[in-house]
Amino acid sequence: AQSVSQHNHHVILSEAASLELGCNYSYGGTVNLFWYVQYPGQHLQLLLKYFSGDPLVKGIKGFEAEFIKSKFSFNLRKPSVQWSDTAEYFCAVMLSSGSARQLTFGSGTQLTVLP
Amino acid sequence: NAGVTQTPKFQVLKTGQSMTLQCAQDMNHNSMYWYRQDPGMGLRLIYYSASEGTTDKGEVPNGYNVSRLNKREFSLRLESAAPSQTSVYFCASSAPDRGNEQYFGPGTRLTVT
Repeated sequence: AQSVSQHNHHVILSEAASLELGCNYSYGGTVNLFWYVQYPGQHLQLLLKYFSGDPLVKGIKGFEAEFIKSKFSFNLRKPSVQWSDTAEYFCAVMLSSGSARQLTFGSGTQLTVLP
Repeated sequence: NAGVTQTPKFQVLKTGQSMTLQCAQDMNHNSMYWYRQDPGMGLRLIYYSASEGTTDKGEVPNGYNVSRLNKREFSLRLESAAPSQTSVYFCASSAPDRGNEQYFGPGTRLTVT
């Protein structure tokens, strides 16, 4: 079964600092990759997704992620974080084949941005 | 479009009580999902429905049942609630023509005492 690892459980940054959140998955086949964000008290929203093509994916709010197939990684980056980026971030993997489009989520990374 | 809606938003149950969580989507999506979110564990799939009339178990189905009432609605039932079912429950839906991207509802915070 596939699994997703997010090694950083809680990251604390000051405004304007650069961000990189790690995500590794274990599955040898073709996958679709996602980053979701959950602001305090809200539901999950899609930040960005990768299906195929350019491994550098740009999402909303200045976020981007790079798919490195050889490392089974899909790390999330932002050059300069803002206080409003305080949220929990989830990486998720979906198998590209099969009848069921199930998502497997990582355990999440809580990002706190200090003003 | 309201997207994915869930009711209720909050619920407190006593051990052994039953309840049904409701979910509806107005995006004409084929597939619907129920997840639970617990601290430090991300979201775990309870049940999903690939299309109207079908349901399948996910990662953590024990203690739950589901009904795909029609294409719009997918309910989750706890027959005899247990404290271990205290969690936040999210419903989601997806469609192949949108790359199977999942759209999430606002969640139901359930406490079982």
